[in-house]
Amino acid sequence: TQLLEQSPQFLSIQEGENLTVYCNSSSVFSSLQWYRQEPGEGPVLLVTVVTGGEVKKLKRLTFQFGDARKDSSLHITAAQPGDTGLYLCAGEGGSSNTGKLIFGQGTTLQVKP
Amino acid sequence: EAQVTQNPRYLITVTGKKLTVTCSQNMNHEYMSWYRQDPGLGLRQIYYSMNVEVTDKGDVPEGYKVSRKEKRNFPLILESPSPNQTSLYFCASSWIRVHNSPLHFGNGTRLTVT
Repeated sequence: TQLLEQSPQFLSIQEGENLTVYCNSSSVFSSLQWYRQEPGEGPVLLVTVVTGGEVKKLKRLTFQFGDARKDSSLHITAAQPGDTGLYLCAGEGGSSNTGKLIFGQGTTLQVKP
Repeated sequence: EAQVTQNPRYLITVTGKKLTVTCSQNMNHEYMSWYRQDPGLGLRQIYYSMNVEVTDKGDVPEGYKVSRKEKRNFPLILESPSPNQTSLYFCASSWIRVHNSPLHFGNGTRLTVT
């Protein structure tokens, strides 16, 4: 069974600080997605990474896919209270287009003003 | 507006009383999926469907049924709910190539089984 381990599970920081969330696995994924979820809502896609070593930027968020496609990271620069939420990584298991998407446990981020 | 609609948002029921949670999407997506979300466990896939009349088990299918008779609808059926099925449920849809398109989630159904 493929697993995705996210760390840390909880993070409480002050506005303006930087942070990194990790998503690790012993398995290779054909692609990896990052979602953000706010209370009372479903997750919303932030980014998809497909190529090993790929780096994508979304304003103050930087996403990286490991060279071996087994891990990914999300780095937030100068966090804002609006970044508060649950961050989830999700990998498409095995060969592509299988339909099975595996989620990590999530990282709850609280950014205090 | 493109959306995934789940109903109901909240449901309290008793053990053994059959229930259905509906899910409908208006984006003509081939792929639909059900997840349950529990604290510390993230989202776990229950069932998914790659197209009409095609359904497959996810990681936690026990105690659940689904059907995909039409492209837009993907109901989740609990024939005999038990307290361990108390959870937050999400329906999602996307184009068939999941990693090339985003999963669109509904706003969730909070189910309590007493």
